[in-house]
Amino acid sequence: SQQGEEDPQALSIQEGENATMNCSYKTSINNLQWYRQNSGRGLVHLILIRSNEREKHSGRLRVTLDTSKKSSSLLITASRAADTASYFCATANNAGGTSYGKLTFGQGTILTVHP
Amino acid sequence: EAEVAQSPRYKITEKSQAVAFWCDPISGHATLYWYRQILGQGPELLVQFQDESVVDDSQLPKDRFSAERLKGVDSTLKIQPAELGDSAMYLCASSPPSARSYNEQFFGPGTRLTVL
Repeated sequence: SQQGEEDPQALSIQEGENATMNCSYKTSINNLQWYRQNSGRGLVHLILIRSNEREKHSGRLRVTLDTSKKSSSLLITASRAADTASYFCATANNAGGTSYGKLTFGQGTILTVHP
Repeated sequence: EAEVAQSPRYKITEKSQAVAFWCDPISGHATLYWYRQILGQGPELLVQFQDESVVDDSQLPKDRFSAERLKGVDSTLKIQPAELGDSAMYLCASSPPSARSYNEQFFGPGTRLTVL
């Protein structure tokens, strides 16, 4: 079963615009991670935000985390055609035991950036 | 740059046949994961290894799926017999040492399985 729900399911924008994707989850977490997947390929890690952090930046990426609302957002600024991909949030929960390191992925947002 | 290797990249098989996928994680990564990703969905964990031991196989359909990591390095995932519903991308990932560290995972390119 998948914990995360992502919104929107698909997003289409023009090059240069900003793209915002949202993720909601259900249980308490240790951290939340965002991954990118180009069509038919494996996933690439983008950024990790811990449960005690509220915002994190990496290049053109900005991630926020609101643990009270169990939600996160990924903002890609000044988008490029090469940003076209599927974006997934994944949560590492706090259950301990054999759950250490286990990630639960959302359904993903398909981002299309038109040149 | 070190990468997770998977083979084959594509596999077409008929239902009731056996298939096997291979994964070689990044050197030194103690934790290895196998995921199944159905088209249009996120990956779902099938099995997690810590070195050669299985630490989570709760979502692995054990009547037909098996996984091993005999020497704690590379791993094989097998399906026997394959069913139409097994058509999916099978992804392998690894992460650095310590089961208690909440690290990012490094993914291989995946094996696309089509069952006819």
